[in-house]
Amino acid sequence: EAGVVQSPRYKIIEKKQPVAFWCNPISGHNTLYWYRQNLGQGPELLIRYENEEAVDDSQLPKDRFSAERLKGVDSTLKIQPAELGDSAVYLCASSLGPGSYEQYFGPGTRLTVT
Amino acid sequence: GESVGLHLPTLSVQEGDNSIINCAYSNSASDYFIWYKQESGKGPQFIIDIRSNMDKRQGQRVTVLLNKTVKHLSLQIAATQPGDSAVYFCADRTNFGNEKLTFGTGTRLTIIP
Repeated sequence: EAGVVQSPRYKIIEKKQPVAFWCNPISGHNTLYWYRQNLGQGPELLIRYENEEAVDDSQLPKDRFSAERLKGVDSTLKIQPAELGDSAVYLCASSLGPGSYEQYFGPGTRLTVT
Repeated sequence: GESVGLHLPTLSVQEGDNSIINCAYSNSASDYFIWYKQESGKGPQFIIDIRSNMDKRQGQRVTVLLNKTVKHLSLQIAATQPGDSAVYFCADRTNFGNEKLTFGTGTRLTIIP
């Protein structure tokens, strides 16, 4: 079974530029998460989707971050414009659905903003 | 707010020895705990979990102990192998139905050959 797929794996951009990350969750997983992981820290939740609905986006900086999961499968996370402090690893995870505790993580996208 | 933290940021263990990674949490309402392993350049990988109605759970070479009295969680790895070298995170969930996990900072475990 394929795991969570993310692309790109690495991205280097200049500040004020836009950037987008893509995630394909495990087949059949209804819940999708986007996390940000700063160097030496644990992942921090940005947004959680149940199918196509964002049910928890309280930690998403909405002035510059946006996300979508239009058909309830793949998801994109966008930053526009990027700031130096956005440099981090952006992780996508998925789980079967509400009540399913185990989250499966993708390899992440390492973003460097210069 | 809730917090999940680790006592030690780094831990070095001789290959073959047992290792213990500790974690403290602050929210007494946490009902579920999970340990993840993260190797360099990879996403976190599930190791073992435990619900708050248990105090011990065993997996293959790993055991998680939960002490709710002192809000302490530990991960024991038996007979460590070089492949166990990674960063280990504990995470907790505050209540049933809330799928949000709060992760601690992590402990880097290094296995010395």
